[in-house]
Amino acid sequence: DAGVIQSPRHEVTEMGQEVTLRCKPISGHNSLFWYRQTMMRGLELLIYFNNNVPIDDSGMPEDRFSAKMPNASFSTLKIQPSEPRDSAVYFCASSLARFRETQYFGPGTRLLVL
Amino acid sequence: DQQVKQNSPSLSVQEGRISILNCDYTNSMFDYFLWYKKYPAEGPTFLISISSIKDKNEDGRFTVFLNKSAKHLSLHIGPSQPGDSAVYFCSLTQGGSEKLVFGKGTKLTVNP
Repeated sequence: DAGVIQSPRHEVTEMGQEVTLRCKPISGHNSLFWYRQTMMRGLELLIYFNNNVPIDDSGMPEDRFSAKMPNASFSTLKIQPSEPRDSAVYFCASSLARFRETQYFGPGTRLLVL
Repeated sequence: DQQVKQNSPSLSVQEGRISILNCDYTNSMFDYFLWYKKYPAEGPTFLISISSIKDKNEDGRFTVFLNKSAKHLSLHIGPSQPGDSAVYFCSLTQGGSEKLVFGKGTKLTVNP
């Protein structure tokens, strides 16, 4: 069974460009999470969805970041315009929204903004 | 303001010995605790968890201890194997929330 799929795996872009990260959760999972990992801040939750509805976006750094989940099998995280400080590894994770259910992470997208 | 601290960025142990990774937290409302393991170029994978109603949970070579009064948890791996070399994250949640708070991780190296 396929795990969480993220694309692209690596992205190099220039400051000011729009970046779109994509995620396909595990089939049947109804919660989806976007995380960012940096050396300074570690692994931090940006936003999560339950049944395609955003539940908590308090971790989204600023208005340049947006996330959507148009259906149960696809989500995007968009950065517009991108800045060098957005360089990080972005992870998507999914889970069944049951009590204490484990989150399953994708392999991540390594983003470098020049 | 870090709610979860893993004060040792790295740890090196000899194969066959016990590895002990530590995690401290500040908010006593946290009631469920998890450890994730991460290899390079992969996402974190769940390892073991413990509820606040317990003080110990074992799964094979992995044991997690929880000291609620000290707001401290630890992961014991024993005996350690070279394949255990990875970054280990502790994560916490509360009240049935799906929202996990992660520490910054400890990089464990197990030397043959």
